[in-house]
Amino acid sequence: QKEVEQNSGPLSVPEGAIASLNCTYSDRGSQSFFWYRQYSGKSPELIMFIYSNGDKEDGRFTAQLNKASQYVSLLIRDSQPSDSATYLCAVNDSNYQLIWGAGTKLIIKP
Amino acid sequence: GAVVSQHPSRVICKSGTSVKIECRSLDFQATTMFWYRQFPKQSLMLMATSNEGSKATYEQGVEKDKFLINHASLTLSTLTVTSAHPEDSSFYICSARDMLHYLGVEQYFGPGTRLTVT
Repeated sequence: QKEVEQNSGPLSVPEGAIASLNCTYSDRGSQSFFWYRQYSGKSPELIMFIYSNGDKEDGRFTAQLNKASQYVSLLIRDSQPSDSATYLCAVNDSNYQLIWGAGTKLIIKP
Repeated sequence: GAVVSQHPSRVICKSGTSVKIECRSLDFQATTMFWYRQFPKQSLMLMATSNEGSKATYEQGVEKDKFLINHASLTLSTLTVTSAHPEDSSFYICSARDMLHYLGVEQYFGPGTRLTVT
């Protein structure tokens, strides 16, 4: 059974701090990793994707991938109340279909 | 780029009637579209994968005769909920895969359709 695991949260972070979201996956053949953000009552929105080991930065967001540990994370710097949402991790399987985590609810406290 | 639209955004129907939801990729061609359902405070649940010009592949437990999917072109897929019942009330979301992007794996989501069956 291919799985993607996320802590459901809620993860509470003070405004201006770094929010760290984590995700582990079971399929060693996975090559593409995605972070989506979903606001309550809305559909998911793609934030970042990463294919190679290491870090990938885009504005306040940094995705980190460690294939040896089967671990991918998302860091949000200078967290804002508008970052409060559920963050979904998705990983492709060997058929290039996405396997979804259940999501981590992030709350940024002013 | 990579915009997906969905129509309608909200629909209320009576029990026993059918509802059609449209999903369109506006600025790219989507060989594959996905249909998800999400109940309140629960995670996304993949219902089916729709490939242009062929039959949809349904996930285990999803009734293909109840949730009819048609993907007749590279920019349009439809989901018809037949003989809807109150338990079908949910948030239905489609997504599409951009065939031109490297690996073409990431999915772009439509805004969703909130279905209420009375």
